[in-house]
Amino acid sequence: SQWGEENLQALSIQEGEDVTMNCSYKTYTTVVQWYRQKSGKGPAQLILIRSNEREKRSGRLRATLDTSSQSSSLSITGTLATDTAVYFCATDSSYQGGRALIFGTGTTVSVSP
Amino acid sequence: EAGVTQSPRYAVLQEGQAVSFWCDPISGHDTLYWYQQPRDQGPQLLVYFRDEAVIDNSQLPSDRFSAVRPKGTNSTLKIQSAKQGDTATYLCASSLGYQDTQYFGPGTRLLVL
Repeated sequence: SQWGEENLQALSIQEGEDVTMNCSYKTYTTVVQWYRQKSGKGPAQLILIRSNEREKRSGRLRATLDTSSQSSSLSITGTLATDTAVYFCATDSSYQGGRALIFGTGTTVSVSP
Repeated sequence: EAGVTQSPRYAVLQEGQAVSFWCDPISGHDTLYWYQQPRDQGPQLLVYFRDEAVIDNSQLPSDRFSAVRPKGTNSTLKIQSAKQGDTATYLCASSLGYQDTQYFGPGTRLLVL
């Protein structure tokens, strides 16, 4: 598997709290993407961070990438009930002619109003 | 802009039956992916196309699964003689060229009894 075992499987928090989830990967990648999947929906990209970036922000989201430890994190500040979802990190597989994604096992985040 | 559409949304089969899933990618997207997502796991690539050509189908169980994209637009994934282990959500995604972001459809939830 491309992914390590550090993914926290499930988190339950109250609205307004901040949350951070982590993942580690085993083989070199040029890009780490974070996707969110709400119940009954397909995954949707939240943020993409490249190997030459250490941090990327988008609204309430902050992603970090440490290529030396091959790990990435996603933080959400001031969570809302609508942030309830499964969050996946994904790397590219560098297949010839394109980039299929390799997804981690996901972290389930439940935000209570 | 219309997103990726998939049909049917749900399918229930007995073991040994066949089923087909249909995907309409975002207009103009030349790369199309099919993923299998077992319950409580991340999506796993089955096959992907660039235009009408198969780029990689190494993860497709070729004896029972097949996928086509004859005109480089819509795609069909077919399972012959379904097994209980095929129970999963089947996701279609599309992207433009080598861009990293993939756009996912809502998926087809398959239950094989």
